[in-house]
Amino acid sequence: DVKVTQSSRYLVKRTGEKVFLECVQDMDHENMFWYRQDPGLGLRLIYFSYDVKMKEKGDIPEGYSVSREKKERFSLILESASTNQTSMYLCASSPLSDTQYFGPGTRLTVL
Amino acid sequence: QQQVKQSPQSLIVQKGGIPIINCAYENTAFDYFPWYQQFPGKGPALLIAIRPDVSEKKEGRFTISFNKSAKQFSLHIMDSQPGDSATYFCAAYSGGSNYKLTFGKGTLLTVNP
Repeated sequence: DVKVTQSSRYLVKRTGEKVFLECVQDMDHENMFWYRQDPGLGLRLIYFSYDVKMKEKGDIPEGYSVSREKKERFSLILESASTNQTSMYLCASSPLSDTQYFGPGTRLTVL
Repeated sequence: QQQVKQSPQSLIVQKGGIPIINCAYENTAFDYFPWYQQFPGKGPALLIAIRPDVSEKKEGRFTISFNKSAKQFSLHIMDSQPGDSATYFCAAYSGGSNYKLTFGKGTLLTVNP
């Protein structure tokens, strides 16, 4: 079975803090994605990566950056967390195909 | 911007009912249409998917109906059970999109016992 793990299930941070969310997949997938999920807005793509050190902006990249130094690991960085970044963050991976496999999510609260 | 419009936003049915969730798209380049199911506290998981060369696909109690000319597709859940209560997302994919999926906004389904 494909396994996508995220470093934390719940996280509470203060405004202005730098926040790291980590995602690891164990299936040697080329593509990895970060989404945020908000009620009524569905899943919105923040960034994705199609290879090590390669990244591309999604629909809502503002306020976020990413890092992919190893194939299995994709990190989402909030340089200076703000209250409007309180959300559920979902990581996904996929091979060179149309199916994405999601992690369990990290619920981030920014106070 | 590529969009997939999903309705309704929420749906309540009784056990044994047949909930129907609808999605519409605009981009004719889409060539793969998956549905994802998400239980509370979990990430979405692929439920069933269809390609536009067929009009219907069935897997167990879940059926996708696809209308290429209308650019619409829908999910039907036969003999729904309380365990089907979840959020359902439709999505669309085109081969030229760098493996990105375009998701609908989701439907929260509640099946009452």
